[in-house]
Amino acid sequence: KQEVTQIPAALSVPEGENLVLNCSFTDSAIYNLQWFRQDPGKGLTSLLLIQSSQREQTSGRLNASLDKSSGRSTLYIAASQPGDSATYLCAVNNQAGTALIFGKGTTLSVSS
Amino acid sequence: GAGVSQSPRYKVAKRGQDVALRCDPISGHVSLFWYQQALGQGPEFLTYFQNEAQLDKSGLPSDRFFAERPEGSVSTLKIQRTQQEDSAVYLCASSLGRGTGYGYTFGSGTRLTVV
Repeated sequence: KQEVTQIPAALSVPEGENLVLNCSFTDSAIYNLQWFRQDPGKGLTSLLLIQSSQREQTSGRLNASLDKSSGRSTLYIAASQPGDSATYLCAVNNQAGTALIFGKGTTLSVSS
Repeated sequence: GAGVSQSPRYKVAKRGQDVALRCDPISGHVSLFWYQQALGQGPEFLTYFQNEAQLDKSGLPSDRFFAERPEGSVSTLKIQRTQQEDSAVYLCASSLGRGTGYGYTFGSGTRLTVV
């Protein structure tokens, strides 16, 4: 059964710092890995989708990498801003390709 | 529509009451998913529709949970005889393609509180 773990559970940094969020998964037979952002009381916003054949994806200050064989992904956020404060979730597909399996998320707080 | 719309936004139900949660996906999106998110946890899969066909309902926690998408657009998640452990945020997502290979758009969710 696929399990997704995110470390750390919470992170507080001052504005301007570069930071890395970690995600690991137990079954390397994935189609893709996705990173989402969730603001309090809101739904999820898709940030980056990495297909299993890809090594990384970039969007603005965000860069996500995927090492499928070792079951790991990292989300790198450059020059963090207070507006980046949110919970970040990573997810991989189940074997049937019909559902995403999420980690519990990393709650990020960026202080000004 | 421009996004995925869910209603109601909040629902308080007395234990034992039946509830119905609605999801309006983005027009033309083939795939529709329901997830349940407990406080402090990541979303957990409930069920998946491809058009009107319910292809995966393995995540529904009990036979009190029922979902439908009769015309391949709007979907309803029904919970019968609600219990306190059903309290959670119920998220709906839709996707243009089939399965999980495409980007998801999530709704803002329905927060269900069973008292």
